[in-house]
Amino acid sequence: DAGVIQSPRHEVTEMGQEVTLRCKPISGHNSLFWYRQTMMRGLELLIYFNNNVPIDDSGMPEDRFSAKMPNASFSTLKIQPSEPRDSAVYFCASSFTGGNEQFFGPGTRLTVL
Amino acid sequence: AQSVTQLDSQVPVFEEAPVELRCNYSSSVSVYLFWYVQYPNQGLQLLLKYLSGSTLVKGINGFEAEFNKSQTSFHLRKPSVHISDTAEYFCAVRPGFQKLVFGTGTRLLVSP
Repeated sequence: DAGVIQSPRHEVTEMGQEVTLRCKPISGHNSLFWYRQTMMRGLELLIYFNNNVPIDDSGMPEDRFSAKMPNASFSTLKIQPSEPRDSAVYFCASSFTGGNEQFFGPGTRLTVL
Repeated sequence: AQSVTQLDSQVPVFEEAPVELRCNYSSSVSVYLFWYVQYPNQGLQLLLKYLSGSTLVKGINGFEAEFNKSQTSFHLRKPSVHISDTAEYFCAVRPGFQKLVFGTGTRLLVSP
């Protein structure tokens, strides 16, 4: 079992550039979560999907952030345009619907200069 | 709304000593409770969970936690820590089938 796969593991970009983070959930899981972790704010849920449908995006900070899940095995989190304050580690997690354990990916460390 | 409080941002302890990491929550409905561990440069990993039944829950790596409904607490304990337990520990609650709400984390620092 490969677990949750995220790419890239590290991303360094300049302010104003578009950033796309990718996630492949565990096969068979039908809930997917995007989190952001910073020293200042801790671990924040940005958005989660169930059966590829966004259920709660109240944690998405602003319109510069968007997330999609075109199929059960792939999701993207896009930031356009990126800003230095978006620098953080972004985690993707997956679970069965209503499941009692979320499985986290290794994260993408984003640095916006 | 639900919230989780981890009062200790950092807990230093010597190897082989016991440790307790505190977690208190607030919720107007019944919740499920979780502890996750994050090792440096890694994602979160489930340590243990309380869903129902016995209030004393045992998890991986020798950790256990006790659910106390009257005190709305779910403290994590280990009788004897190892250097390898150095990590950040997150308490989380989930009301029913809704999303997880995480605490701010407690950094456990184990020194020789």
